[in-house]
Amino acid sequence: KAGVTQTPRYLIKTRGQQVTLSCSPISGHRSVSWYQQTPGQGLQFLFEYFSETQRNKGNFPGRFSGRQFSNSRSEMNVSTLELGDSALYLCASSDGQGPDTQYFGPGTRLTVL
Amino acid sequence: AQSVTQLDSQVPVFEEAPVELRCNYSSSVSVYLFWYVQYPNQGLQLLLKYLSGSTLVKGINGFEAEFNKSQTSFHLRKPSVHISDTAEYFCAVSDQLDDYKLSFGAGTTVTVRA
Repeated sequence: KAGVTQTPRYLIKTRGQQVTLSCSPISGHRSVSWYQQTPGQGLQFLFEYFSETQRNKGNFPGRFSGRQFSNSRSEMNVSTLELGDSALYLCASSDGQGPDTQYFGPGTRLTVL
Repeated sequence: AQSVTQLDSQVPVFEEAPVELRCNYSSSVSVYLFWYVQYPNQGLQLLLKYLSGSTLVKGINGFEAEFNKSQTSFHLRKPSVHISDTAEYFCAVSDQLDDYKLSFGAGTTVTVRA
């Protein structure tokens, strides 16, 4: 099976702009989770989507939002970018049933100038 | 919510020497434990996981970990490391009360020297 793919791999934006990141899960997986990774805060959970519904949410401001489509692909949007949003954004997919393994994509490196 | 403590932020080790990475988690009735590895400029790859059963778990690339409920620990070990094991290692925990959301430790950077 093909792994989790994320596009784009790298992004450079300026403060105040918005950005959309995309994640395609492993075929058959219905759950997609998003994480932010920074040197200072480590890996932090953003949110999880399961069958097009947000099932879990971390402690991030409302500028961070997401959605999931009927084919399980997911997008994450960040509006009004701040310098502190510079990070590696990782998505992970799983079948969403119980404590199953999450499979991670390579990430999108976002730099905010 | 679960919390995870990785006791060592940096672990330098010589090639062919053993390595142990320590991980402790906050107590819960039933937890599920994972170790992931991240190579430079890549995502996370699962090394091993504990869901139930035997407390000694074997994973990929010769790694193993032991679940110790009384000490709330899940330490990762490898008897002989290679240069290619240089990477960052993350311990993670999930439980049913938190909808199986993964909570990660801060990570341990392992640098293997010849």
